[in-house]
Amino acid sequence: DTEVTQTPKHLVMGMTNKKSLKCEQHMGHRAMYWYKQKAKKPPELMFVYSYEKLSINESVPSRFSPECPNSSLLNLHLHALQPEDSALYLCASSQDLNRVYGYTFGSGTRLTVV
Amino acid sequence: AQTVTQSQPEMSVQEAETVTLSCTYDTSENNYYLFWYKQPPSRQMILVIRQEAYKQQNATENRFSVNFQKAAKSFSLKISDSQLGDTAMYFCAFRGETGANNLFFGTGTRLTVIP
Repeated sequence: DTEVTQTPKHLVMGMTNKKSLKCEQHMGHRAMYWYKQKAKKPPELMFVYSYEKLSINESVPSRFSPECPNSSLLNLHLHALQPEDSALYLCASSQDLNRVYGYTFGSGTRLTVV
Repeated sequence: AQTVTQSQPEMSVQEAETVTLSCTYDTSENNYYLFWYKQPPSRQMILVIRQEAYKQQNATENRFSVNFQKAAKSFSLKISDSQLGDTAMYFCAFRGETGANNLFFGTGTRLTVIP
């Protein structure tokens, strides 16, 4: 298995809703990442997990809450989002933080906040 | 701070022709990694090619090759025999060996292959 799987592919949520994005990989990668990508812009890093521990939080608002329950799974919990949070959310993984052969990305979740 | 610049927002190429996408970067690190990623309308970021800064030989992957000029901090991507499936957004990305564990992306070049 050489893929990063993200679910759901599309999500529409209201500003008072609570939802979660899911990311899964079975490549044995020990580093996992959340990126946010606005239309026609490059991805921007949100969080980095290394060996299931949060390594980097790029000053992301607390309405985004990451969780790494095990080495294969990464969640992003969403609560009280704003319309400007509408974007493509990409998950990625790599072998670990030191071995950089390339990041494997998922297909993303297209999030719309109404 | 690292910056990555792609000066060509859009490019087009005839099918079967060759096209070169430009990328420059700025860093104070001596060793680092450079990547080209492709993002088709399906949205998935696909790794096209990877280059380690300490390797002088330019990386090649089938129809894709790079021209890595470390002194000039330039990392261009050449696509030979362009195919319709090459139509996508192409991002150049930088990752340092030390410091923040982050891929720094350029703003992207939208490539259209014309039949």
